[in-house]
Order: sequence, then structure tokens, then C-alpha cells
Amino acid sequence: AQTVTQSQPEMSVQEAETVTLSCTYDTSENNYYLFWYKQPPSRQMILVIRQEAYKQQNATENRFSVNFQKAAKSFSLKISDSQLGDTAMYFCAMEYGNKLVFGAGTILRVKS
Amino acid sequence: DGGITQSPKYLFRKEGQNVTLSCEQNLNHDAMYWYRQDPGQGLRLIYYSQIVNDFQKGDIAEGYSVSREKKESFPLTVTSAQKNPTAFYLCASSIPLGLAGEADTQYFGPGTRLTVL
Repeated sequence: AQTVTQSQPEMSVQEAETVTLSCTYDTSENNYYLFWYKQPPSRQMILVIRQEAYKQQNATENRFSVNFQKAAKSFSLKISDSQLGDTAMYFCAMEYGNKLVFGAGTILRVKS
Repeated sequence: DGGITQSPKYLFRKEGQNVTLSCEQNLNHDAMYWYRQDPGQGLRLIYYSQIVNDFQKGDIAEGYSVSREKKESFPLTVTSAQKNPTAFYLCASSIPLGLAGEADTQYFGPGTRLTVL
């Protein structure tokens, strides 16, 4: 069975600093996709970044980047130059067979 | 403006009643999904549909039912058989994997908060 684990229930970071959120997963598949979603207090789920498992290059989207370690089944999210608007719950998710499996989430608080 | 809409935003139900949550999308996506979110937990898949007139059970389908008569619409009924229906419900849609040649990215609606009184 596919599982996704986020071991950090809560994290905080000072504005303008860098923070890394951890995610590990378990799958026997070779081709799959990984995602990070952000859920701010409005509860709208917003796609942050995605990674195809067959690509070795780590995905980046502006201040957001991932460290994808396929052999270790690790998919961490790095947020650079943190902003107050980054305060949210962050979910790691893995896609297989057109379905998503989510981790339990990490609450990130950005402090001024 | 393309997107996914869910209604109502808040819904209250008395015990023993069935209620239906609406989900509509104008993104021309084939696949649609329903998730349940409880406090301190990630999203769990209730039902999904990859094409009109077809749908599959997810991990927690008991006590729920769906229909997919139109591509744009995927309503979820929470029946009286659902033991603990109070939760936040999210609908999502996507282009099925393989059709667009890219990752099956799911896009979410704003959600419906259901409370059982």
C-alpha cells in the first residue's frame, strides 16, 4: 500500500528565512508523481509544486523547491525568503493510478 | 473564469437525514474526486470518477453515494448510514493521467463544511 509520512506536525520560521518541510513515502511503483499542496486558513487547497519520479532534476517554482531522493523515498520542500502569506498547512501527496494519497500535514507559521 | 465551485459553504444536518453536496467544474476535466478532511489528518478519498456514468469507491466510501450524469457535475450524498459525517469535504478535478501526457494534477474547490446537529 502507498503511504505518505510527514513527521513534523508544526514548524515556525522567521520572515525572510528558509525552512524545509520533510516528507517520506512508500511505494512499490516505479512511475509516480509527487506533490506539495498548501492549505491557508481559507482552507482552499493550492498546488505548490509537483515532481515526476522519472525526472532526476528537482522541481522549482519561484521561492519553492524540492529535494527529491528517489532511492530514499524522500521528497522535502524548501521555502526560501519566507513570507507571512506562506503561513498555512502543507500537505505532501503521492499520485498513483489517478488517485492521491496525502500525508497528515505540517502547520507552518511564519513570524514577523 | 475557469474553476471548481462547491455549494453550500456551510451545511447543517440533523441526525438521520441525507444531504447532498454540490461540486461543479468548467475546466473540461474528465476526472473528479471527493475527499474528506478531519482535524489533524490529511485528506482521505471517498469516491472518484474518471468518466461520465462511471465512478469508483475510494478508501472511505461507506455511508456515501455519488452520481456522474454530466461531465461538469459530481454531487456527493452523505447518507444517514455515515456514522460520523461532521467534516470538511473537498472536491477536485483533473485530466486523467496519460491523456495530456503530463502529471495528473488535481485542482480543488473551496470546500463544504458539514456539521451534524
